Amino acid sequence: EDQVTQSPEALRLQEGESSSLNCSYTVSGLRGLFWYRQDPGKGPEFLFTLYSAGEEKEKERLKATLTKKESFLHITAPKPEDSATYLCARGDTGRRALTFGSGTRLQVQP
Amino acid sequence: DGGITQSPKYLFRKEGQNVTLSCEQNLNHDAMYWYRQDPGQGLRLIYYSQIVNDFQKGDIAEGYSVSREKKESFPLTVTSAQKNPTAFYLCASRHAQKNSPLHFGNGTRLTVT
Repeated sequence: EDQVTQSPEALRLQEGESSSLNCSYTVSGLRGLFWYRQDPGKGPEFLFTLYSAGEEKEKERLKATLTKKESFLHITAPKPEDSATYLCARGDTGRRALTFGSGTRLQVQP
Repeated sequence: DGGITQSPKYLFRKEGQNVTLSCEQNLNHDAMYWYRQDPGQGLRLIYYSQIVNDFQKGDIAEGYSVSREKKESFPLTVTSAQKNPTAFYLCASRHAQKNSPLHFGNGTRLTVT
């Protein structure tokens, strides 16, 4: 069974305080590791796709990295507008759908 | 602008009634998906469709039905057989190209009392 586990469930940071979110996943049959941002009451917004270990992608204050078993979303000097739930998802070689983790709720205080 | 439209945003129904949630996309995507989101449980796959007139069950299909008569539309019916229908429902679509990301609508919040 495909599994995606995210930690921590919730994270509270002060503005400017850098940190990382973790996503561990079932390795077998992996076809891409996806990161999304979700604001309350809205649909998830696509951030990154990573395909192979060692790959990194950046967007503003966010950087996603991928190892053989985990992915990290690094947030550098966050601002209050970065507050959201961050979702990780895996694609697989069989079923053409994504399996999501339960997310990390990030709150950045001014 | 291209996108995915889900309607209505909020929906209220009495227990025992079937209800249909609308999802329309103008992105010319081949594949469409329905997910359910409950607090603390992330997104769970209900049904998906790779092409018109074809669809597959996801992980929690019991109590739901779908149709895919047009490329642009993928309505979801929540039947009275669904034991816990109150949830936030999200529709998504993607290109047929492998590993392309899902694009989501802004969801329908269904409350059944």
